[in-house]
Amino acid sequence: NAGVTQTPKFRVLKTGQSMTLLCAQDMNHEYMYWYRQDPGMGLRLIHYSVGEGTTAKGEVPDGYNVSRLKKQNFLLGLESAAPSQTSVYFCASRQSSYEQYFGPGTRLTVT
Amino acid sequence: AQKITQTQPGMFVQEKEAVTLDCTYDTSDPSYGLFWYKQPSSGEMIFLIYQGSYDQQNATEGRYSLNFQKARKSANLVISASQLGDSAMYFCAMRERALGKLIFGQGTELSVKP
Repeated sequence: NAGVTQTPKFRVLKTGQSMTLLCAQDMNHEYMYWYRQDPGMGLRLIHYSVGEGTTAKGEVPDGYNVSRLKKQNFLLGLESAAPSQTSVYFCASRQSSYEQYFGPGTRLTVT
Repeated sequence: AQKITQTQPGMFVQEKEAVTLDCTYDTSDPSYGLFWYKQPSSGEMIFLIYQGSYDQQNATEGRYSLNFQKARKSANLVISASQLGDSAMYFCAMRERALGKLIFGQGTELSVKP
């Protein structure tokens, strides 16, 4: 039981490049979330999903797209990376219990 | 709109002493949940404690307790008998009821001195 895993752990992109961050959970959770964490700030919600095939915008969705084709996976895409997207990205999942389980994070730098 | 405020950017505490980290919240929803997470320098988010808005008693988990004052809209974290390993960032968060989204405060960096 690995919990929530994120791939990759680190990435450096040039402005304008694209990439996809993968979040996977093996707990059969319905709800999944993508957050970003910037220095001096708490986590902010980018997008979330309440079940397979569904996605919705969070607090800071601009510049990101997501997909939830399989229940266990939640993908976060950056179509054209910008320096403002330099951040640490966290994925989380939840079932009916109150606790959100977080992945280890992905540190992304856009130059 | 829901909001979480942590007014202490940094705190120091002597090893073995107790420390209180402040958190105030704002919501018009009668049903909500309050969380504390610990983020060590390694970066992972570690769940510490949870308090539901209808819970009658303050939550406790080992050395962690949550001082929940509903009328004041505060949910302070108390760490008893601080240890060096408690040095970390601590985030207070509130759960949006229906979809479970978390709203985070800006965090408090706790440093435990030997």
